[in-house]
Amino acid sequence: EVQLVESGGVVVQPGGSLRLSCAASGFTFDDYTMHWVRQAPGKGLEWVSLISWDGGSTYYADSVKGRFTISRDNSKNSLYLQMNSLRTEDTALYYCAKDGGLTGHFDYWGQGTLVTVSS
Amino acid sequence: QSVLTQPPSVSGAPGQRVTISCTGSSSNIGAGYDVHWYQQLPGTAPKLLIYGNSNRPSGVPDRFSGSKSGTSASLAITGLQAEDEADYYCQSYDSSLSGSNVVFGGGTKLTVL
Repeated sequence: EVQLVESGGVVVQPGGSLRLSCAASGFTFDDYTMHWVRQAPGKGLEWVSLISWDGGSTYYADSVKGRFTISRDNSKNSLYLQMNSLRTEDTALYYCAKDGGLTGHFDYWGQGTLVTVSS
Repeated sequence: QSVLTQPPSVSGAPGQRVTISCTGSSSNIGAGYDVHWYQQLPGTAPKLLIYGNSNRPSGVPDRFSGSKSGTSASLAITGLQAEDEADYYCQSYDSSLSGSNVVFGGGTKLTVL
């Protein structure tokens, strides 16, 4: 059974930093691209970032480019999101999601971890 | 403002058929990128409902179907049930944005009357 378990969400002040983690199990982690997707309270889904299977390619939404860094450790079946220079508008539930393959969908999602940026 | 446009809400009575539209442009759906649909029940994570425009993952009832034409896509739900009440999101890719940009619709809240 595929499982994605996020952690690391806390309350942080504007300008602060935070590192989210996602522990994956139930599939061959290093075969798949992985994503972070966020959802602000009461709002829709917003894609944040993706990383290729080997970490060689990374992409970011314009809203987080230059502030967030995605990474992975295939030896630990883990995905990370380093978040710097946090803003109040970064407040959201952050999901990690597994890429489904050729068609570019997300076939499995974690339960999310809540990041609150507030003074 | 989402790149993909969905109606904010739709409703239907049990047993009825409803459709949810997802309208894009020549840089996303119209460029040939696949459309995928997710169901988000209250207080839960999104769940894949339809991938590759019209394919259902194992376990998704055949009451749910997807289609795509031109710059738009649609999700149809037949035999509406109370447990279908949820938010629904379409997703695709957009070539006009920098990098490899995934785009979502703004979401549609389905109310079962």
